[in-house]
Amino acid sequence: AQRVTQPEKLLSVFKGAPVELKCNYSYSGSPELFWYVQYSRQRLQLLLRHISRESIKGFTADLNKGETSFHLKKPFAQEEDSAMYYCALSRTGGFKTIFGAGTRLFVKA
Amino acid sequence: GAGVSQTPSNKVTEKGKYVELRCDPISGHTALYWYRQSLGQGPEFLIYFQGTGAADDSGLPNDRFFAVRPEGSVSTLKIQRTERGDSAVYLCASSPRETQYNEQFFGPGTRLTVL
Repeated sequence: AQRVTQPEKLLSVFKGAPVELKCNYSYSGSPELFWYVQYSRQRLQLLLRHISRESIKGFTADLNKGETSFHLKKPFAQEEDSAMYYCALSRTGGFKTIFGAGTRLFVKA
Repeated sequence: GAGVSQTPSNKVTEKGKYVELRCDPISGHTALYWYRQSLGQGPEFLIYFQGTGAADDSGLPNDRFFAVRPEGSVSTLKIQRTERGDSAVYLCASSPRETQYNEQFFGPGTRLTVL
């Protein structure tokens, strides 16, 4: 069965420190992975997607098929990065999207 | 332009009642999704539309839940004989083309409370 696991409900770091939000997935086929973010009082929005190999707002994520992980990383956290982050998965060529439970990132001044 | 809109923003109903939740996608978006988000959880997939047809309704929890998109634009999620366990935020999202690689644009959600 498809499953996305985000082991940390809350992650608190100091401004300027590196941050890594963990995401592990379970899927038998070839998945597409995404990170979505929800800032306070805003809508859920796409942050980045595996297929694009992009860096958005300093965040990157590498798909590791051997470890079935798609961890989100940023070398220097900023206060404005404080938000709820969701890892998501869909089947290649498919549209049903499975979300993890989310990790709340809190960046302290 | 305007983003995805959902009405009502809040709905309080009594157990056993029928409710309809509406989603207005971004104009021209052909793909539309419904999700349910319970407290402390991520969005849970319910149904996906390509145009007017439901391409994947595997996430609907039971036959009390039904969704339509008759003209390929506005969609309505219908819940019959509501139960307290249906209380959640119901999210709608749309995408511009019929490919998963396009990002999903989310609405603000409808908070449903079943008393």
